[in-house]
Amino acid sequence: NAGVTQTPKFRILKIGQSMTLQCTQDMNHNYMYWYRQDPGMGLKLIYYSVGAGITDKGEVPNGYNVSRSTTEDFPLRLELAAPSQTSVYFCASSYAPGRKAFFGQGTRLTVV
Amino acid sequence: AQTVTQSQPEMSVQEAETVTLSCTYDTSESDYYLFWYKQPPSRQMILVIRQEAYKQQNATENRFSVNFQKAAKSFSLKISDSQLGDAAMYFCAYRSGRNTGNQFYFGTGTSLTVIP
Repeated sequence: NAGVTQTPKFRILKIGQSMTLQCTQDMNHNYMYWYRQDPGMGLKLIYYSVGAGITDKGEVPNGYNVSRSTTEDFPLRLELAAPSQTSVYFCASSYAPGRKAFFGQGTRLTVV
Repeated sequence: AQTVTQSQPEMSVQEAETVTLSCTYDTSESDYYLFWYKQPPSRQMILVIRQEAYKQQNATENRFSVNFQKAAKSFSLKISDSQLGDAAMYFCAYRSGRNTGNQFYFGTGTSLTVIP
């Protein structure tokens, strides 16, 4: 049982470049989330999904896009990377709100 | 690899009472950080409290305090004078103190209900 797998672990992007952060879970969870960690502020919700084909914006969705074509995968796409997107990104999944949640180990993204 | 265990999937507390959420972790490192996060229904992850492993003094933030037992690898969260707004999922997390280690390890969460 691999849990939640995020790739890559580290990435450096140039301003204006695009990339996709991959997230996959093998627990058949309906709910998946993307967070970014801002220092001292906890994790801010970027997007979430309550099931395949359903996504919704969180607190800080600008500059990001997501898709949920399968239950297992929830990729996060950055279009036109900006320095403000330098952060650590976390993917998480749970069967339902209030139930056990599992987190990936994070992706450190630096935009220069 | 580091692991974080929250053995209480659900907890409840009467309003104005005190509750303690448990967290244990496993690591061979001596330099690390521990965190408690709160996830309300909005699904945000709010940083509640943070503890540096090299500090012996337990961290405190208003009604929230921790009992950090480094030798026992235990990091429990105490919420005093519980309020209805404290109802949420609480996650314990570990992060290495090494500069190259940005990975966090999260527990699976404890769902806290506050009873009026």
